[in-house]
Amino acid sequence: QKEVEQNSGPLSVPEGAIASLNCTYSDRGSQSFFWYRQYSGKSPELIMSIYSNGDKEDGRFTAQLNKASQYVSLLIRDSQPSDSATYLCAVNGGYSTLTFGKGTMLLVSP
Amino acid sequence: EADIYQTPRYLVIGTGKKITLECSQTMGHDKMYWYQQDPGMELHLIHYSYGVNSTEKGDLSSESTVSRIRTEHFPLTLESARPSHTSQYLCASSVSGSSYEQYFGPGTRLTVT
Repeated sequence: QKEVEQNSGPLSVPEGAIASLNCTYSDRGSQSFFWYRQYSGKSPELIMSIYSNGDKEDGRFTAQLNKASQYVSLLIRDSQPSDSATYLCAVNGGYSTLTFGKGTMLLVSP
Repeated sequence: EADIYQTPRYLVIGTGKKITLECSQTMGHDKMYWYQQDPGMELHLIHYSYGVNSTEKGDLSSESTVSRIRTEHFPLTLESARPSHTSQYLCASSVSGSSYEQYFGPGTRLTVT
């Protein structure tokens, strides 16, 4: 059973701070990793994809991947109240499917 | 950004009714997926499709059925709705190849009374 683990939170950070969200996965064969943002009552929105070890930056977001440790993280710099949402980590499973974590709720206070 | 549509967005229906939730995408994606998500809970994959005439069951057992007669259309049907089917149903699609990026529709919130 492939598993993706995330701390459910909530993770509370003040506006302007760096939010760090973490995810571990069980399948060493996984090759593709994603972060989705889901606002309450809305559908998930893809915000970052990462496929190789290291860092990938896109605006205020940085995804970090360490395949040896089976660890993926998402850093959000200069956090804004509008970043308050649940962040889902997803890892490619078998047969073109994704395995999603349960998500980490992020709360950014003004 | 993928264009993926779901109708209806909200549906309240009585027990025993047959319902079909529609999902369409205009990106020409071969792969399509249905997820079920209760409020504040995790996503559960219930059906997916690799392409026309392909359907597979997901990780979560579901009483629903799906069909894929056209590339752009992936409807989900419940033959006899029950209160336990009350949930949010999310459709997603992804392009063929090595990328597994999935793009979600807005969802259908189903309430069975």
